Amino acid sequence: ETGVTQTPRHLVMGMTNKKSLKCEQHLGHNAMYWYKQSAKKPLELMFVYNFKEQTENNSVPSRFSPECPNSSHLFLHLHTLQPEDSALYLCASSQVLDQPQHFGDGTRLSIL
Amino acid sequence: GENVEQHPSTLSVQEGDSAVIKCTYSDSASNYFPWYKQELGKRPQLIIDIRSNVGEKKDQRIAVTLNKTAKHFSLHITETQPEDSAVYFCAAILSPWDTGRRALTFGSGTRLQVQP
Repeated sequence: ETGVTQTPRHLVMGMTNKKSLKCEQHLGHNAMYWYKQSAKKPLELMFVYNFKEQTENNSVPSRFSPECPNSSHLFLHLHTLQPEDSALYLCASSQVLDQPQHFGDGTRLSIL
Repeated sequence: GENVEQHPSTLSVQEGDSAVIKCTYSDSASNYFPWYKQELGKRPQLIIDIRSNVGEKKDQRIAVTLNKTAKHFSLHITETQPEDSAVYFCAAILSPWDTGRRALTFGSGTRLQVQP
């Protein structure tokens, strides 16, 4: 049990679909993160939430929309994605921003 | 720009040998340096970390050293075993005094292959 659970584990979608990735942490942490992992950029930070407030958006296209309703849950809403968005999307959490991060197992996303 | 550079990108060693991976960072104010191991198909896992008030930290066969003057830190694995084969990522908090940017910045990863 990792303490950080991501669903679904695998997702295949067309470019016109709308889907959401979910992340839940059971560690009592206050910061949560979305990363994109691909062969081109091994660990690319996308979004950071600290105490439910978004503190970083690393120039991510608007077709990715994060949501953090509380400190335990983080979503990534997807719409009109491109083939180059196919990657492993990892969620992580930490007690606060400068503490060790715990990762989930990721969602493997494939865009047809 | 602010970044973390990691070398080498691939490293192959014989079982029992030592492996060293080095990272450099750009912001002298950086104060937290973790290392993560990611086995094939699995999530990254923290294996060791060090803060800027310490020069070296050891945990069994793994050690991390920090040179604040030169702005680099290294991972040392001794007596390597086949199960050490994985991708290793270094990371640092750049701009630690900027409350809006205290998340980790990761290096590009090192693929370590331990040959039996």
